[in-house]
Amino acid sequence: AQSVTQLGSHVSVSEGALVLLRCNYSSSVPPYLFWYVQYPNQGLQLLLKYTSAATLVKGINGFEAEFKKSETSFHLTKPSAHMSDAAEYFCAVSDHGQGGSEKLVFGKGTKLTVNP
Amino acid sequence: DTGVSQDPRHKITKRGQNVTFRCDPISEHNRLYWYRQTLGQGPEFLTYFQNEAQLEKSRLLSDRFSAERPKGSFSTLEIQRTEQGDSAMYLCASSISAEQFFGPGTRLTVL
Repeated sequence: AQSVTQLGSHVSVSEGALVLLRCNYSSSVPPYLFWYVQYPNQGLQLLLKYTSAATLVKGINGFEAEFKKSETSFHLTKPSAHMSDAAEYFCAVSDHGQGGSEKLVFGKGTKLTVNP
Repeated sequence: DTGVSQDPRHKITKRGQNVTFRCDPISEHNRLYWYRQTLGQGPEFLTYFQNEAQLEKSRLLSDRFSAERPKGSFSTLEIQRTEQGDSAMYLCASSISAEQFFGPGTRLTVL
C-alpha cells in the first residue's frame, strides 16, 4: 500500500522568504509523485510531477521539488514566496505503470500562509 | 481543452434524500476518477473508470453510493439516503496518462 506524510499542517512564511513544504512517501513500487495546489472552494491544480526521469523537477509558478529515493522524500520549495502562493498544498503518490488504476493517494495537506 | 467540469457546484440536501452529481471529463481522456475530500483532509479515492468500465472501487464507497460512466463520456455519482457524514467536497478527475486533471468539485451539505 502507498501512503504520504506531509510534515506540518500549517506553514507560515514572510513574503520573499524561502518556502519549504515537506513530503515523505511510502511505496512498494517505484512511485510517481505529484504536488497539487488548492485555493479555497476550488479543485486541485498540478504544480509539478516526478515520473522517474530527472530527480529535480521544476513546476509552475517558480516551484520545484527533488525526489530523494534514499530519504523517501519529495519536498517542495520556492526561493521567494509571493502573497499569491497562499493556499493549501497536497503531495500525492501513484502506482503508475503497475497495471492498476493509478489512483492518487494524497497527504493531509499543508496550508501555506504568506505574511506581508 | 475546456477542462473538467462538474455540476452542480453546491448541493444542500436533507438527510435521507438522494443526490446525483455529474462530471464531464476532458474529451479525449479515457480514465475518470472520483474522490471525496472532507474538511482539513486530502482527497480520498472513491472509484475509477477506464472508458465505460468501472474497474476499481474503494471500501469507502458504501452500498448507498453508485457511479456510472455510460458510453465512456460523462460520469454520474449518486448517493442514496444521504447521511450527515456524506457532507464533503466530491472531486472528479480525468487523465490519459500519469497526470490527473481535476474539476472544481461539488460541495455537498447534508442537513
